[in-house]
Parts: sequence; C-alpha cells; structure tokens
Amino acid sequence: EVQLVESGGGLVQPGGSLRLSCAASGFSFSNYEMNWVRQAPGKGLEWVSYISTSGSFIYHADSVKGRFTISRDNAKNSLYLQMSSLRAEDTAVYYCAKLGSGYGHYFDYWGQGTLVTVSS
Amino acid sequence: SYELPQPPSVSVSPGQTASITCSGDKLGDKYTSWYQQKPGQSPVLVIYQDDKRPSGIPERFSGSNSGNTATLTISGTQAMDEADYYCQAWDSSTAYVFGTGTKVTVL
Repeated sequence: EVQLVESGGGLVQPGGSLRLSCAASGFSFSNYEMNWVRQAPGKGLEWVSYISTSGSFIYHADSVKGRFTISRDNAKNSLYLQMSSLRAEDTAVYYCAKLGSGYGHYFDYWGQGTLVTVSS
Repeated sequence: SYELPQPPSVSVSPGQTASITCSGDKLGDKYTSWYQQKPGQSPVLVIYQDDKRPSGIPERFSGSNSGNTATLTISGTQAMDEADYYCQAWDSSTAYVFGTGTKVTVL
C-alpha cells in the first residue's frame, strides 16, 4: 500500500524558515517523480514544487521561487521542502504528492498533509 | 499563465447526473485529471489521462476532453459524492495547473 506521511509543519513567524518532510513507503520511491502541492485555508489547490527521480531536475512555482527548495533522499525514501523567507500567504496545508507513471502528469497518491501557519 | 476556470458550484439530485466543466485554451490538446476532495481530507484521483479511472473508483465517474473543455460526469450521483472537485493539467509555461474547483452538492 502506497503511503506518504508529511511532517514538519507548525507555526512560524514571517521571515522565518521551516523544513517539511515526506516519508514514502509501499512503492519504489526512487523510480517516481514527486511534488509538493499546497492549499490555503478555504482555498483551492496550488502546485508548489517538482523533483525528478534522481533530483537532477527541479521546478518551483513562481510564487515560491527563490524561497523554497525541494529535495529528496532516495536512500531514505524521503522528500523534503525547505521553506525560507516565509510570508503570511504561505499559510496552507502542504501535501506531498506522487506523480503517476506514463503520460498525463497526474498525481496518483497524496499524503495527509501538514499545516504551515505563518503568523506573528 | 495558464488558467482552468470551473463553475464554483453544481447541484444535483440523488440518482441524477452531475457534469462539471473545466475550461482552458486548447485544453483538448493536453491530458486532464480530476480530483475529489471531501472536507478535511486529502484529494483523491478519480480520473486521469482524460477518461481513465484508477482502481477502486466507481464506474459512475467518467471524463472527456475536447476543444477547450474537459468534463467530469458523475452518473447516478450518490450522497457520498458530495465534495469539491478539481481539474488539473500540465502546461509548458506554467507546469502543473489546477482548476478553480467546483463544489458538488447532492440535494
């Protein structure tokens, strides 16, 4: 059974930093591209970051470019999101999402999410 | 940037058909996916590659995509289908794009 378990969320002050983690199990983690997707309270889904299987290719949404960095450790079956210079508008539930195989660029499995609150 | 507007809400009677649209420039040239999200839960993939259902998704969920519009259809809608639904596509300039979301209410 595929499982994605996020951790690391919490309350942080504006301008602060936080590192999110996602522990993956139930599939061959190193063979799949991974992403972070977020959802602000009462709002829709917003893609945040993508990382290739080896970590060689990384893409970030314009809204977080230069402030967030996605990374992975295939030996530990883990995905990370380093967030810095946090703003109030970064407040959201952050989901770890696995990219499906084949064509289509779709997210076939999601974690339960971890809440990040940016507030003084 | 690429956008995917959806109607904010759709109402349907139990047993009837609900159709949710997702609009985008030349969306028919891209693959579209659909996600169901119930309150307090994570999104669940219900349609991928325009019209394919993942294992475990009921046959009453179907999808189509042509021209500038993708459609998610729920046939014989049940109370358990009440949720928010998001379309999603990939665009070369914007990467992964989600629709604005549609709240389906089963009256």
